[in-house]
Amino acid sequence: DTGVSQNPRHKITKRGQNVTFRCDPISEHNRLYWYRQTLGQGPEFLTYFQNEAQLEKSRLLSDRFSAERPKGSFSTLEIQRTEQGDSAMYLCASSHGGQGNQPQHFGDGTRLSIL
Amino acid sequence: KNQVEQSPQSLIILEGKNCTLQCNYTVSPFSNLRWYKQDTGRGPVSLTIMTFSENTKSNGRYTATLDADTKQSSLHITASQLSDSASYICVVSQFGNEKLTFGTGTRLTIIP
Repeated sequence: DTGVSQNPRHKITKRGQNVTFRCDPISEHNRLYWYRQTLGQGPEFLTYFQNEAQLEKSRLLSDRFSAERPKGSFSTLEIQRTEQGDSAMYLCASSHGGQGNQPQHFGDGTRLSIL
Repeated sequence: KNQVEQSPQSLIILEGKNCTLQCNYTVSPFSNLRWYKQDTGRGPVSLTIMTFSENTKSNGRYTATLDADTKQSSLHITASQLSDSASYICVVSQFGNEKLTFGTGTRLTIIP
């Protein structure tokens, strides 16, 4: 399978713990995006990378959230001191850069539940 | 504020019937409009992408239309199948900006 891969698929943790998610994009895609989706809503943009550079961050991305893409391939999204409001599906997507009409290919997400 | 509104919120139709989903947007300047299908517990899958100059685009039994003047789009599904049961999300891209604006989706249920 050469699609976008996200791990883990599910994460349950206690409030206050730190969590880290991983996204492996389609190999030839240089753009990578993170979104958050809550039940019954569309995905909300969090941040995106072109290669290893983080080019835009949403105001939704508080200082407890950090994303990295150190070698321009896989990316990690870390949430520190989790809160119950962080419970959501975290989606990763990738696309070809420089071509604005290319579709973003999504992974199946990591569902985070905060107890 | 950039917004994408979809209607209806939910729709139930019999297998084999056709249906049309609506999308209105206020995103400006406009770059392109996309329709995605999202199965429960899965990530969205792209169905169509249309730019300003495109009025219609088909992908199998899915046909999307775009009226950039009125800022409206529709997704028509022909001869629905049980596997079409999913959420259909309208997404608009702003020119010069990588950030996509997503609608809240239409939840479509096909019943046998």
